[in-house]
Amino acid sequence: GQQLNQSPQSMFIQEGEDVSMNCTSSSIFNTWLWYKQDPGEGPVLLIALYKAGELTSNGRLTAQFGITRKDSFLNISASIPSDVGIYFCAGQTGNTPLVFGKGTRLSVIA
Amino acid sequence: KAGVTQTPRYLIKTRGQQVTLSCSPISGHRSVSWYQQTPGQGLQFLFEYFSETQRNKGNFPGRFSGRQFSNSRSEMNVSTLELGDSALYLCASSPLTNSGNEQFFGPGTRLTVL
Repeated sequence: GQQLNQSPQSMFIQEGEDVSMNCTSSSIFNTWLWYKQDPGEGPVLLIALYKAGELTSNGRLTAQFGITRKDSFLNISASIPSDVGIYFCAGQTGNTPLVFGKGTRLSVIA
Repeated sequence: KAGVTQTPRYLIKTRGQQVTLSCSPISGHRSVSWYQQTPGQGLQFLFEYFSETQRNKGNFPGRFSGRQFSNSRSEMNVSTLELGDSALYLCASSPLTNSGNEQFFGPGTRLTVL
C-alpha cells in the first residue's frame, strides 16, 4: 500500500544536539501526525497538525505541516537520553486510514 | 482516563492454528483500527471499525477478520496462521470529533507463529 518517505532512517546524535526529521508524500494529506515508539510498546502520539503551514510545539518538540500539504517536519531541541526511540510520521485525508512512514530510529549518545 | 488496552500482550501459536486478539478503546472512543507491525513492512493497516461496522479495510487476506461490539471493544481473528503472521498487532482508538482525528495506540500483542 501507499507509504510515506521518511528520512533519515536512523540518526546517532550527542546529548544536547538538535534533531530534524521529515516525511514527504506524493499525495496531499489533511492531517499529519507524529508518533514515538519505545521498544515493546505501542506508538505514542506527540503532535497533531491539521492546517497547511501550521507550526505546533510540544515541549522540546516542534512539528510543521508543509504548505504543499505533501510534507511535514519534526524537530527536537536539546536532545536527552529519553528521546531514544523510533519516530513515525503519519498522514491522513478525510476518513481514510492513516498512512505511516517507516520510521526514524534515534539514538542519543550521552 | 485509561488508555487503550490489548490482551494478551504475548502469544505463541503454531502454523495452522487460529488466534483472537482483543482491544478495549479509550472510554468514549467509537473508532477502533488495527495494524500489523513488522520490521520489514512497518505499520500496515488491517481494518477500522466504527459503531460496530467495518469502515475501512487494508490489503490483507480473508484469514484476517475483525469485529466490534456495542461497547466499542474490538476483536481481531487470524485463522490458519502462517509463519509470516508473526508480528506486533496494534490497536488504536479515535474519538472522531470535529476537533481532530488522532489515533491513540495500545501496547500491542506480540504474536509469534512457530
